[in-house]
Amino acid sequence: EPEVTQTPSHQVTQMGQEVILRCVPISNHLYFYWYRQILGQKVEFLVSFYNNEISEKSEIFDDQFSVERPDGSNFTLKIRSTKLEDSAMYFCASSPTGTSLTQYFGPGTRLLVL
Amino acid sequence: DQQVKQNSPSLSVQEGRISILNCDYTNSMFDYFLWYKKYPAEGPTFLISISSIKDKNEDGRFTVFLNKSAKHLSLHIVPSQPGDSAVYFCAASQETSGSRLTFGEGTQLTVNP
Repeated sequence: EPEVTQTPSHQVTQMGQEVILRCVPISNHLYFYWYRQILGQKVEFLVSFYNNEISEKSEIFDDQFSVERPDGSNFTLKIRSTKLEDSAMYFCASSPTGTSLTQYFGPGTRLLVL
Repeated sequence: DQQVKQNSPSLSVQEGRISILNCDYTNSMFDYFLWYKKYPAEGPTFLISISSIKDKNEDGRFTVFLNKSAKHLSLHIVPSQPGDSAVYFCAASQETSGSRLTFGEGTQLTVNP
């Protein structure tokens, strides 16, 4: 069964450093998303991406965040200058168009900012 | 953000019995609802969904009920199995491709053998 994959599974970085989280969505899906879950809190929407542009972003997704689909398979989330409060699990998800609205999630990247 | 709320942080049931997980929402713009299951250190796994034009959707041991007037949905698992032990998240969205999901807090289900 096709699945969303994410790399790395864990990332430790120093405050102020840039990180890039990578995702390979399911191959025939056209909508891509990033969510995060801070420890003990809800899963929160960050951004959605369709047709090579951001279709929606939350108030969390400020100028330090960016997303890119650099080729036909990868979808990346960049955090330019990490803060302590960026420590969280980051989940990538994808969904097809058409009648199915279900979003399928990857296993997540645990980001720890020191 | 209290738009989707799961009031029970945990639920414990005996194997073979019914598990009922509840979820309430406040945003009347939500018209598509999903349940996800999550094991530690894994991503949410899709279980079942329901559109607001229905009041019930069933898939094997899993049934989701939607009460639009009460803005309430529930997930029934019967019979419950020990492998069902996980955190269950309710999520809501608008029935439009690409809409964001808004999640509840999750309920930890423990099924005892």
